[in-house]
Amino acid sequence: EVQLLESGGGLVQPGGSLRLSCAASGFTFSSYSMSWVRQAPGKGLEWVSAISASGGDTPYANYVKGRFTISRDNSKNTLFLQMNSLRGEDTALYYCARHDSGSYQSLQDWGQGTLVTVSS
Amino acid sequence: DIQMTQSPSSLSASVGDRVTITCRASQGIRNDLGWYQQSPGKAPKRLIYAASSLQSGVPSRFSGSGSGTEFTLTISSLRPEDFATYYCLQHNSFPYTFGQGTKLEIK
Repeated sequence: EVQLLESGGGLVQPGGSLRLSCAASGFTFSSYSMSWVRQAPGKGLEWVSAISASGGDTPYANYVKGRFTISRDNSKNTLFLQMNSLRGEDTALYYCARHDSGSYQSLQDWGQGTLVTVSS
Repeated sequence: DIQMTQSPSSLSASVGDRVTITCRASQGIRNDLGWYQQSPGKAPKRLIYAASSLQSGVPSRFSGSGSGTEFTLTISSLRPEDFATYYCLQHNSFPYTFGQGTKLEIK
């Protein structure tokens, strides 16, 4: 059974940093591309970033480019999202999601999310 | 960026009704589209992939169709557990983009 378990969320002040993790199990992590998707309270879904199976390709949404960095450790089956220069509008539930394959395509499986709150 | 316009934004229906939700892409995306269901407090769950393929384990009352710029999700006969919010997602090119969502409510 595929399991994705996010952690690392919390309350942070504007301008601060946070590092999210997503521990994966139940599949060969190194064979799949992964993404982060977020959902502000009461709002819709918003794609944030993706990473290829090898980690060599990392597209970003424009509104996080230069502030967020996605990475992965295939030896530890873990996905990361380093978030710097956080703003109030980054407040959201952050989900990690598994793509269908190593070459992106659709988002098949989702974790339960970790909540990030940016506030003074 | 590809814009996904989803309609309606909300829908009121009864158990047993047939409902259709539409997503329009601002440019052609072949069949690179999925449909997701999100119940309150839960993570999204994929129902349909490649525009018309039913995800394993999803009831056959859900179906998807379309290609290019216009796509539909149809629920043939609503069950109580289907009252949720539905999203389309295009994965033709980055940045991936979601529709605004359709909240399906009980009439």
